[in-house]
Amino acid sequence: NAGVTQTPKFQVLKTGQSMTLQCAQDMNHNSMYWYRQDPGMGLRLIYYSASEGTTDKGEVPNGYNVSRLNKREFSLRLESAAPSQTSVYFCASFSQANVLTFGAGSRLTVL
Amino acid sequence: RKEVEQDPGPFNVPEGATVAFNCTYSNSASQSFFWYRQDCRKEPKLLMSVYSSGNEDGRFTAQLNRASQYISLLIRDSKLSDSATYLCVVKGDGYNKLIFGAGTRLAVHP
Repeated sequence: NAGVTQTPKFQVLKTGQSMTLQCAQDMNHNSMYWYRQDPGMGLRLIYYSASEGTTDKGEVPNGYNVSRLNKREFSLRLESAAPSQTSVYFCASFSQANVLTFGAGSRLTVL
Repeated sequence: RKEVEQDPGPFNVPEGATVAFNCTYSNSASQSFFWYRQDCRKEPKLLMSVYSSGNEDGRFTAQLNRASQYISLLIRDSKLSDSATYLCVVKGDGYNKLIFGAGTRLAVHP
C-alpha cells in the first residue's frame, strides 16, 4: 500500500518553462490537495479537489492549474514557471476518518 | 490576520522537560482540529486529532478552547526523538479545507 505517490521528487526549471507534478493515491479517497511549503510560511493550499471531476482554488492558486484525471490522480501544472514558484510541493489525500496523508514532496527550483 | 497562527518557536528544551505549544484560529465555524508533526525535509504526518473534551496519547495532550479559539499541545518528558516541527491544522466548515499554521519548531537536547 503506497499511500500517496508524487513525482518528480526534484526538478530544476528555467523561468518560463512548464511542467506537471503528478500525484496518485491508492486509498480510494475522494478529496485531494496540493500544498506548497516555503520557509516561515507553513503549508499553503494551492488547489483542492473534493471529488472526481471537481476542483477549487485554495489560498495561492495564481500561476497553477490542476486536473483531477480520475479518483486516483490529481496533477498540478505550472504553465510558465517563475522564481517565486521555487518551493516544496506536497500532494495529499483526505480520508473520511479526517486523516490527511501526504506524499513525500517535490522540490522545485526555478532559475 | 492569518487564519491559523502558532507560537513562532524555536523551542529548545532539555530531555525530560515539559513543553507546550499554542495555536489560535480565526474562523469560529471551524469544525475539526489536528496536530501534525513534520521532520526535517519530510512530509507532515498526523500526530493527533484534538477533541472538544481534550485528549491524551501517551506523553502528548491536546486541548481545545472554542470560546477563545485556540488549541494547545503539551509534551511531557521530552525525548530527543520529539525534535521536529509541530503544525497546527484547522478544518473549515462546509468542505474538507484544511488550513495549516506555519509550525513551531522543537529541538530537544541531551
